[in-house]
Amino acid sequence: DGGITQSPKYLFRKEGQNVTLSCEQNLNHDAMYWYRQDPGQGLRLIYYSQIVNDFQKGDIAEGYSVSREKKESFPLTVTSAQKNPTAFYLCASSRDGTNTGELFFGEGSRLTVL
Amino acid sequence: GENVEQHPSTLSVQEGDSAVIKCTYSDSASNYFPWYKQELGKGPQLIIDIRSNVGEKKDQRIAVTLNKTAKHFSLHITETQPEDSAVYFCAAMRWSGSRLTFGEGTQLTVNP
Repeated sequence: DGGITQSPKYLFRKEGQNVTLSCEQNLNHDAMYWYRQDPGQGLRLIYYSQIVNDFQKGDIAEGYSVSREKKESFPLTVTSAQKNPTAFYLCASSRDGTNTGELFFGEGSRLTVL
Repeated sequence: GENVEQHPSTLSVQEGDSAVIKCTYSDSASNYFPWYKQELGKGPQLIIDIRSNVGEKKDQRIAVTLNKTAKHFSLHITETQPEDSAVYFCAAMRWSGSRLTFGEGTQLTVNP
């Protein structure tokens, strides 16, 4: 089955530590996205990538970093510079970044900073 | 940039009743308006979308209406069932754009 796989599902980290969330897709989609979900705030875009080896900042990129070395993979690193990292993180993909708005989401990763 | 506001934030209905969720957007150039449903512990899934060249679209028990002049669009669910309970998100974007802007979400609860 085609889809998006995020791991881990739950993650705990101590303050001051970096953590990397994995996102893999086998849909052969060009574009991939990372969203952060907080209660009452909807989905806020962190970073997105329309093509391999290229990515752009979203609305809340500070304290996060990404890479897009392979078409199927778009890992997100939450750095110690992110002031409030506890949240639910969603990865998504779309066929391409310009011609369709349909996003396919993974099941999310819940990060808790202790 | 685009700003999307969604109301209400929570909605509770009895099984069989209708539910309506409303969104307004700010960018008059936006022309694509999808709705996503997020079940507990899952990622959102597209349930219906509408483009600006139509005013209404229906798919079984769900429908979306769009008023471009007033810059608002709504999701209508008829004959609600307990499995409709979820968080619903509206979104807007320019068709030539590369990113969706989401509303804040509506927690719909359908009581048996």
